[in-house]
Amino acid sequence: QITLRESGPTLVKPTQSLTLTCSFSGFSLSTSRLGVGWIRQPPGKALEWLALIFWNEDGRYSPSLKSRLTITKDTSRNQVVLTMTNMDPADTGTYYCARNVIFSSGGPGFDYWGQGTLVTVSS
Amino acid sequence: QSALTQPASVSGSPGQSIAISCTGTSSDVGAYNYVFWYQQYPGKAPKLIIYDVNYRPSGVSSRFSGSKSGNTASLTISGLHAEDEADYYCSSYTSSSTLVFGGGTKLTVL
Repeated sequence: QITLRESGPTLVKPTQSLTLTCSFSGFSLSTSRLGVGWIRQPPGKALEWLALIFWNEDGRYSPSLKSRLTITKDTSRNQVVLTMTNMDPADTGTYYCARNVIFSSGGPGFDYWGQGTLVTVSS
Repeated sequence: QSALTQPASVSGSPGQSIAISCTGTSSDVGAYNYVFWYQQYPGKAPKLIIYDVNYRPSGVSSRFSGSKSGNTASLTISGLHAEDEADYYCSSYTSSSTLVFGGGTKLTVL
């Protein structure tokens, strides 16, 4: 059974950094073709892809947020950590982590998702 | 990269078929056959329903199908059921080796 769970602060002050942890089970990030990514969703708005790290340490970032994001993995602990700097009220939303798999047909899709964690940015 | 363009809303009656479009550019939707569709109910995490344009993950109803022409992908739901009422998001791999989502479409079953 594959599960993912996001953890981190629910309230962050503007200009502070946010660190979120994705703890997962049922798969290993040492397995080829697998990755874990982060996606966020402001209240009432659309999904936005943030970052993705693959089994081979290859990390990808949203171009518009790249300067503020860092994604790392701890394979032995089955965790992926996302850090976002200089938080702003516009960053308020639900943050999801999800397993990414490069399907046999070639594309990288998110096939298992965590329940999400709501992060509010406010002073 | 800009978000992919989806209609804000579509609607249909039970039993009908509907299609949701997802328009990108030659740098994303048009670049590869790597388009994904996700279904999301209010307050819930998204669920993958189509990958690589037209493949269904195990357990997803055959009433869901996908296609692509040029820079536009489409999700078709045939034989609408009340439980299909949800938000639908497309996503694409890009030529910059990143991912991008669409703005989402709210499906209402009348």
